[in-house]
Amino acid sequence: GAVVSQHPSRVICKSGTSVKIECRSLDFQATTMFWYRQFPKQSLMLMATSNEGSKATYEQGVEKDKFLINHASLTLSTLTVTSAHPEDSSFYICSARGGQGRFEAFFGQGTRLTVV
Amino acid sequence: AQSVTQPDIHITVSEGASLELRCNYSYGATPYLFWYVQSPGQGLQLLLKYFSGDTLVQGIKGFEAEFKRSQSSFNLRKPSVHWSDAAEYFCAVGPPNTGNQFYFGTGTSLTVIP
Repeated sequence: GAVVSQHPSRVICKSGTSVKIECRSLDFQATTMFWYRQFPKQSLMLMATSNEGSKATYEQGVEKDKFLINHASLTLSTLTVTSAHPEDSSFYICSARGGQGRFEAFFGQGTRLTVV
Repeated sequence: AQSVTQPDIHITVSEGASLELRCNYSYGATPYLFWYVQSPGQGLQLLLKYFSGDTLVQGIKGFEAEFKRSQSSFNLRKPSVHWSDAAEYFCAVGPPNTGNQFYFGTGTSLTVIP
């Protein structure tokens, strides 16, 4: 199967700082990438959908100025959590779809963000 | 509206026993159906998928799932569970358009007793 690499796997940052999470499709071109947030023992909550070269589409209730998403190329999307707050501590997962005949989504390993 | 229901929040089985995880969906068109598994602190790994054709699909790690259109179900099964199968399992439905999102169920947590 295709590989999606997410980095970093864990990050701790201070309140008020920003942190960037990268999501790369290693062996296919991801026309669409999705960013999810997952709370403990819960399902995935879609935050935004990003298409290469265009602005991300955010789900209702997700602050676009706080969670900046950039999809600069067909293999890279980034999520930047700005002015991080302890409430932003969570598990963030990216997924990617794309490539000829690929209908399934492939997921990154996730990033555990802790804001102290 | 599109939705996925996993009725069982948590299931406990003995190692070697059979397993069935339930999934029901509501979708406006022919669905593409998936099962994913998540180990603690990890991303999601695709177990199997159904797009069309044979309604019984085989996946990795000995899992299989059966698509039943009349029941709007896509239940996951395994004949003999191994301790390493303990994880969170998510059913998902998605459109063929790769630009659109998946809809996930709330997940079923599987515990395997030695």
